[in-house]
Amino acid sequence: GDSVTQMEGPVTLSEEAFLTINCTYTATGYPSLFWYVQYPGEGLQLLLKATKADDKGSNKGFEATYRKETTSFHLEKGSVQVSDSAVYFCALSLPSRENFNKFYFGSGTKLNVKP
Amino acid sequence: GAVVSQHPSWVICKSGTSVKIECRSLDFQATTMFWYRQFPKQSLMLMATSNEGSKATYEQGVEKDKFLINHASLTLSTLTVTSAHPEDSSFYICSASPDHESYEQYFGPGTRLTVT
Repeated sequence: GDSVTQMEGPVTLSEEAFLTINCTYTATGYPSLFWYVQYPGEGLQLLLKATKADDKGSNKGFEATYRKETTSFHLEKGSVQVSDSAVYFCALSLPSRENFNKFYFGSGTKLNVKP
Repeated sequence: GAVVSQHPSWVICKSGTSVKIECRSLDFQATTMFWYRQFPKQSLMLMATSNEGSKATYEQGVEKDKFLINHASLTLSTLTVTSAHPEDSSFYICSASPDHESYEQYFGPGTRLTVT
């Protein structure tokens, strides 16, 4: 079935370190791919997205490239900040039989950035 | 644009009572809204899909008589947790799919429910 697998956390980094959070997916069609961020006690915020193969989503220094050949959408940032500490969710959406897309979420990866 | 609000942001209720959570799309119409549940340190679990003017579609294992969903207008869906029990304590998140962007979902900030 359709699903998302992302690396387990927590991931602990020092400030200004390079970040990679791996995400791979299984999908029966042509999904759109997303990264969401959740800060403590809050809902999900869209971080970036890519809707087709080879697209690169980017926002706030974060990037992810839609790799169809490896079914991956890894999240990267060159220099993390303490304020990036949060839980990151990888997700895919696919058209359903109804007139909307259904979302599938990974299990989330907690990032701790130390000063 | 594309803002979704939830009310209340947190609620504490006594066991056996019912509590209603509202989800509103503030600047777009949404025929379809979604309700998710998130347990501590876990991912989002889709509970049900709410369609304006029709019955909600519940995911397998979700009790439709316990989690009542009403989608009364194109901008409002409500989730009522009936006869709440402590195990219903959770973080409930709604999302809305704009009619003009049906492939997108925009998420609300979530409602923290604690049942004592």
